[in-house]
Amino acid sequence: NAGVTQTPKFRILKIGQSMTLQCTQDMNHNYMYWYRQDPGMGLKLIYYSVGAGITDKGEVPNGYNVSRSTTEDFPLRLELAAPSQTSVYFCASSPGQLEYFGPGTRLTVT
Amino acid sequence: DQQVKQNSPSLSVQEGRISILNCDYTNSMFDYFLWYKKYPAEGPTFLISISSIKDKNEDGRFTVFLNKSAKHLSLHIVPSQPGDSAVYFCAASAWGSSNTGKLIFGQGTTLQVKP
Repeated sequence: NAGVTQTPKFRILKIGQSMTLQCTQDMNHNYMYWYRQDPGMGLKLIYYSVGAGITDKGEVPNGYNVSRSTTEDFPLRLELAAPSQTSVYFCASSPGQLEYFGPGTRLTVT
Repeated sequence: DQQVKQNSPSLSVQEGRISILNCDYTNSMFDYFLWYKKYPAEGPTFLISISSIKDKNEDGRFTVFLNKSAKHLSLHIVPSQPGDSAVYFCAASAWGSSNTGKLIFGQGTTLQVKP
């Protein structure tokens, strides 16, 4: 079991560029989440999904999009990257109440 | 509007002593609480949890206490070890009312255990 995997580990984007952060889980969890963590702050929920084909906004969804076409994958799309999106992004999956996190993607927008 | 607060950004304790990390919440709909531990350059890992129907849960050196009337929970680590040095996040969910499993996180407390 690989658990939750995220790619890439690091990325530098220029302002206005787009990219997709990949997230895959092999635990057959229905629930999946995307968080961002800024320095000195807790994790803020960007988007979440309660099953394939179902997604919903979290606390800080602006500037991001998601899709959930399969149980395993939950990619996060950044369109028109802005410096405010510089952060560490964590994907998580859950069978219910307990969330399992990936190792994170460190994104810098310059 | 911070629904989950960890008011101490950092805590330093001597090896072998007790570490007490605190967390306050405002939403009375929260019914499940968790503590996560995070090392640098890694994702958070689950440490211990407690349901709102309990006031204490223990797992080895880790005990979580819940005081619902005060909307306060704490994590006790006894005895503290240098390997416990990490950032600890408190998190809460309103599982019974939302069924989405969404977690609300506190800001984190950096624990340093000195040898």
